[in-house]
Amino acid sequence: SQQGEEDPQALSIQEGENATMNCSYKTSINNLQWYRQNSGRGLVHLILIRSNEREKHSGRLRVTLDTSKKSSSLLITASRAADTASYFCATDDSSVNNDMRFGAGTRLTVKP
Amino acid sequence: DGGITQSPKYLFRKEGQNVTLSCEQNLNHDAMYWYRQDPGQGLRLIYYSQIVNDFQKGDIAEGYSVSREKKESFPLTVTSAQKNPTAFYLCASSADKSSYNEQFFGPGTRLTVL
Repeated sequence: SQQGEEDPQALSIQEGENATMNCSYKTSINNLQWYRQNSGRGLVHLILIRSNEREKHSGRLRVTLDTSKKSSSLLITASRAADTASYFCATDDSSVNNDMRFGAGTRLTVKP
Repeated sequence: DGGITQSPKYLFRKEGQNVTLSCEQNLNHDAMYWYRQDPGQGLRLIYYSQIVNDFQKGDIAEGYSVSREKKESFPLTVTSAQKNPTAFYLCASSADKSSYNEQFFGPGTRLTVL
């Protein structure tokens, strides 16, 4: 069963704009991770936020976590065409050996 | 040049045949994973291994088998019992199975059943 669900399913913006993607999950977690996938390739880890953290930054990425709402957001600022990819959130499922659960992803298109 | 490799990149199989997908890592990671990805969907866990000679079923293990005879290698066999094997298969590894470790992914194998 998939734990995380991303919203929106697809997002199209112009270069230079900000992109915000959201992730909701169902059960308690220890941490939440965001990954990026270019078309037809493997996933690349972007950032991990622990359950006791509320916000984390890495370069142009900003991740927030609201455990009371069981949701997270990924903000990409000043987007570039090279940011075009699918973005997935992944949560650890403590009910099943902490297996990682991936959502269906948000497909981001950044137009030059 | 450390990393995780998968081969082949594309694989075609006739119905009724078993096929084995290769996954190798030189990151000295203990944990390795196999995921299946279908179009427009997230990743679903097939099998994982936390240590050599040990592996556990994930959410969709039926029709698949694995082995972990070496730390570096975690091959996946898609058997004829898997009813709908056409998909993109991703192998990953992490230092251990702690959920605080990031997973490193290979480039994937796209399997098509003819």
